[in-house]
Amino acid sequence: EIVLTQSPDTLSLSPGERATLSCRASQSVNTYLAWYQQKPGQAPSLLIYDTSKRATGVPARFSGTGSGTDFTLTISSLEPEDFAVYYCQQRGDWPPTFGQGTRVEIK
Amino acid sequence: QLQESGPGLVKPSETPSLTCIVSGESMTNGAYYWSWIRQHPGKGLEWIGYIYYSGDTGYNPSLESRVTISIETAKKQFSLRLSSVSAADTAVYYCARGRAAGGTYWYFDLWGRGALVTVSS
Repeated sequence: EIVLTQSPDTLSLSPGERATLSCRASQSVNTYLAWYQQKPGQAPSLLIYDTSKRATGVPARFSGTGSGTDFTLTISSLEPEDFAVYYCQQRGDWPPTFGQGTRVEIK
Repeated sequence: QLQESGPGLVKPSETPSLTCIVSGESMTNGAYYWSWIRQHPGKGLEWIGYIYYSGDTGYNPSLESRVTISIETAKKQFSLRLSSVSAADTAVYYCARGRAAGGTYWYFDLWGRGALVTVSS
């Protein structure tokens, strides 16, 4: 199965700062990479699919780039509600797999 | 919306079932694939398996020997059975809607709130 490795494990930033999260795949997933946000006690919520397509209702400050094995989620200016855990997920190969998560915490 | 229900606490070696009720959506929409995903306490996410409205299924190889997913479209629900559970199966179990959208496999655009299953004697 494809292993997704996210970095860093934790990102400590202040509101208004730019967040850059990385997801690296053990083999190519084409552009079939999604990002999810999970807040404490809640289910994950889809942010980005197919590398760069924002899900319905997702603010424009969230953007995704990449292809093949290297992907990035960028939050251009952190809002208080953005502090959460972010997971990447690939659907390019069987079975679908998730990264271990990156926690974005308030500095 | 999706809503899971489950037994909460189960004993080792038992075979618990969880059910996901689907509301506001048609389960027979060919664009949707219905999945179970779990999250061990404080850990990441693990995809368990899927079912299509036709009854086609697929399971994560790591769990395939112990998992059965079934569907009842008339009742708008699908279910997960996990046999011979152990403490390692303690997790929050989510049901989710998968979309293939031009690919072979899925991203998950709608999730239930999750049901905690604790395996303990």
